[in-house]
Amino acid sequence: KAGVTQTPRYLIKTRGQQVTLSCSPISGHRSVSWYQQTPGQGLQFLFEYFSETQRNKGNFPGRFSGRQFSNSRSEMNVSTLELGDSALYLCASSLESVSSYEQYFGPGTRLTVT
Amino acid sequence: DQQVKQNSPSLSVQEGRISILNCDYTNSMFDYFLWYKKYPAEGPTFLISISSIKDKNEDGRFTVFLNKSAKHLSLHIVPSQPGDSAVYFCAASAQGAQKLVFGQGTRLTINP
Repeated sequence: KAGVTQTPRYLIKTRGQQVTLSCSPISGHRSVSWYQQTPGQGLQFLFEYFSETQRNKGNFPGRFSGRQFSNSRSEMNVSTLELGDSALYLCASSLESVSSYEQYFGPGTRLTVT
Repeated sequence: DQQVKQNSPSLSVQEGRISILNCDYTNSMFDYFLWYKKYPAEGPTFLISISSIKDKNEDGRFTVFLNKSAKHLSLHIVPSQPGDSAVYFCAASAQGAQKLVFGQGTRLTINP
């Protein structure tokens, strides 16, 4: 079974621009979560989507948004980029059974804001 | 507020010996715990998990122990191998929420 895929793998943007990142979950997984990893803050939860609905949200400003499509693929968007948005953005998918809540991560998108 | 803490930023262990990585949590609502391994420029790889109804879970060389009264969990790797060198993260979730709270990670180095 193919793992979680994320595109693009690397991205360089300028302050003030916006960016869209894409994630394809493992086949059959309906829950997709997004995380931000930075050296200072570590791995932080952004939001989670299930059946095209945002079900959980972390403590990030409204510039960070996402959506999920009917095939469970997900995108996240960051508008008005700031230097501090430079990070590794990770997508994870989950089968979500009654006995386990493991999330499986993609390789990430490295975003650099200049 | 750091709800999940890994107090050791790094750990060095000789090949073949036991590696013990520790994690503490403060939120008593957490009821599911996971360990991930991460190499540079890759996403975290799931290793092992444990539900709060258990105090131990084993998978091959990896064993996770949970002490709910102390709000402490540990990951034991026996025997340690050079390929185990990576950053290890513990994570926790509450009541089935797909929202993992991660520790800061421990860099494990296995010396030959």
